[in-house]
Amino acid sequence: AQTVTQSQPEMSVQEAETVTLSCTYDTSESDYYLFWYKQPPSRQMILVIRQEAYKQQNATENRFSVNFQKAAKSFSLKISDSQLGDAAMYFCAYRRDGRGGSEKLVFGKGTKLTVNP
Amino acid sequence: EPEVTQTPSHQVTQMGQEVILRCVPISNHLYFYWYRQILGQKVEFLVSFYNNEISEKSEIFDDQFSVERPDGSNFTLKIRSTKLEDSAMYFCASSRDRHQETQYFGPGTRLLVL
Repeated sequence: AQTVTQSQPEMSVQEAETVTLSCTYDTSESDYYLFWYKQPPSRQMILVIRQEAYKQQNATENRFSVNFQKAAKSFSLKISDSQLGDAAMYFCAYRRDGRGGSEKLVFGKGTKLTVNP
Repeated sequence: EPEVTQTPSHQVTQMGQEVILRCVPISNHLYFYWYRQILGQKVEFLVSFYNNEISEKSEIFDDQFSVERPDGSNFTLKIRSTKLEDSAMYFCASSRDRHQETQYFGPGTRLLVL
């Protein structure tokens, strides 16, 4: 079974600084997708960024970027120029390629990010 | 931008009562999901639904749970006889395509069973 591990229960960063959240996963599949979701205090799940495993290039969305290391099964999220609104719970999630198999998302336990002014 | 909506936002019920949680997925999406998150814990998959059938369900999704797409727009999760441990945040999600598409989540329904 696939598992997702987020080893940092909590992280903090100063406003305007950069922070990296770690995620590792375990799978025997070669085709899959990885996601970072943000959950602010309202508890809504908001997609931050996604990465297809077949793509070597790391995904980027404005201030958010990932470091995807397929061989190491590592998928970290870097937040640059941190803003107060970035404070939230961040979940790493895995989904295998849906062809012939499950499309369910498997989540890590989350990292609570605090942004200090 | 289209989004998934869920009602109610909060529901309080007595143990043993039936509850129905409602979701309106994004209109051109074909795959629908329910997840739950017990307070302080990770988000867990419950069930996926496509073409009016359950395509996958987890161990959590026992006979007390059912899903339905009654009218082509709503997607519902019914818990027949709620237990204290069903207290959680329930998220509906939808995706356009099974294989590649991202799942977009609704704002969740916070269910409290007393």
